[in-house]
Amino acid sequence: GEEVAQTPKHLVRGEGQKAKLYCAPIKGHSYVFWYQQVLKNEFKFLISFQNENVFDETGMPKERFSAKCLPNSPCSLEIQATKLEDSAVYFCASSQSQGPGQPQHFGDGTRLSIL
Amino acid sequence: DQQVKQNSPSLSVQEGRISILNCDYTNSMFDYFLWYKKYPAEGPTFLISISSIKDKNEDGRFTVFLNKSAKHLSLHIVPSQPGDSAVYFCARETSGSRLTFGEGTQLTVNP
Repeated sequence: GEEVAQTPKHLVRGEGQKAKLYCAPIKGHSYVFWYQQVLKNEFKFLISFQNENVFDETGMPKERFSAKCLPNSPCSLEIQATKLEDSAVYFCASSQSQGPGQPQHFGDGTRLSIL
Repeated sequence: DQQVKQNSPSLSVQEGRISILNCDYTNSMFDYFLWYKKYPAEGPTFLISISSIKDKNEDGRFTVFLNKSAKHLSLHIVPSQPGDSAVYFCARETSGSRLTFGEGTQLTVNP
């Protein structure tokens, strides 16, 4: 498609439950990025993929968080044993290639609420 | 630590006037800065970028200026329109193309 599609728009989980978020990048884009927006305007980089390969995972919490981009499937971000502090908006972005100045195109995010 | 700082949380301007949004950065190693606009409940939308080899880039009503000696960049919007009301983020592209965002500035353009 022509837009980055993120599902669901809003996800509510009880503390300790698993949460799984999905992202379909723009068709033809090879790079996928995940960001977490915890406070209203603070973005944190989590992980990036080049096709199905992890490109940069230095922002991923070492425990509980995992992500995949498999061929012919939406990319996913999974959080095991969720905690209250995982409540945030999670944005996915894609870009056509990797390199200086390549703009990333963002989806509208998934709002994760941990109760 | 390669940071970007937007020190003004909000800016209010009259329709038709110029909006100037500012961003400061630390460390001199970078390739690109990018500006994004964000409406509520939507993802950031790319506006314009500038590389380290330039001091100005223009696209329609949007111009970004880079002052390397002051480690400062600014986004000028002229003329401002009510539809420009949004949160504006500057971001720097660091290694691996990850973006580091500033805190954002809420722009309000009054009719």
